Amino acid sequence: GQQLNQSPQSMFIQEGEDVSMNCTSSSIFNTWLWYKQEPGEGPVLLIALYKAGELTSNGRLTAQFGITRKDSFLNISASIPSDVGIYFCAGPDSNSGYALNFGKGTSLLVTP
Amino acid sequence: DTGVSQNPRHKITKRGQNVTFRCDPISEHNRLYWYRQTLGQGPEFLTYFQNEAQLEKSRLLSDRFSAERPKGSFSTLEIQRTEQGDSAMYLCASSLKLAEGPQNTEAFFGQGTRLTVV
Repeated sequence: GQQLNQSPQSMFIQEGEDVSMNCTSSSIFNTWLWYKQEPGEGPVLLIALYKAGELTSNGRLTAQFGITRKDSFLNISASIPSDVGIYFCAGPDSNSGYALNFGKGTSLLVTP
Repeated sequence: DTGVSQNPRHKITKRGQNVTFRCDPISEHNRLYWYRQTLGQGPEFLTYFQNEAQLEKSRLLSDRFSAERPKGSFSTLEIQRTEQGDSAMYLCASSLKLAEGPQNTEAFFGQGTRLTVV
């Protein structure tokens, strides 16, 4: 499947700071999904993006679908300790249309 | 709760043994997926069902792996003759196929089954 590259690999921030992470691919995606995974749990869907240029918010989270359709950004404002986890971007595989390709994740640690 | 349910949550087995995992999807979802996740990686697609039909298998799904969804509801994933390399988190997800729309790809995951082969 298409490779998704996430950066940064990890972030260590203080409570209250804003966070920005991104996901890039050499291939075009028609949908971008952002998931959060906490230790020992399955990924939880945070935001879904369907149109190039689209900006979507979910509480303190905001994600954008890049206009080139090859990237997406996730921002978290005013971080809190429960934001800790691994954030994954995902997009449907062009060959299957059903399988999701995932990046390797951005690990976020928030100190009080 | 109407989320995706997986059992067991943890499984430790000796190399060479067979194991079976169960997934109960969200009740109205007709699509079901199995993924595998190893440490430091994102989930990797294994196989996909629409209703009871297994429509796609990844190259990761070796001959020792078999998945079923006999009545189009719950699914099982069996691994025969387990190897240490099979140690991973096995994730099940489900989604609802809509007549139109990109929301088809929104998959909701269960909590996973952590397999350790010793």
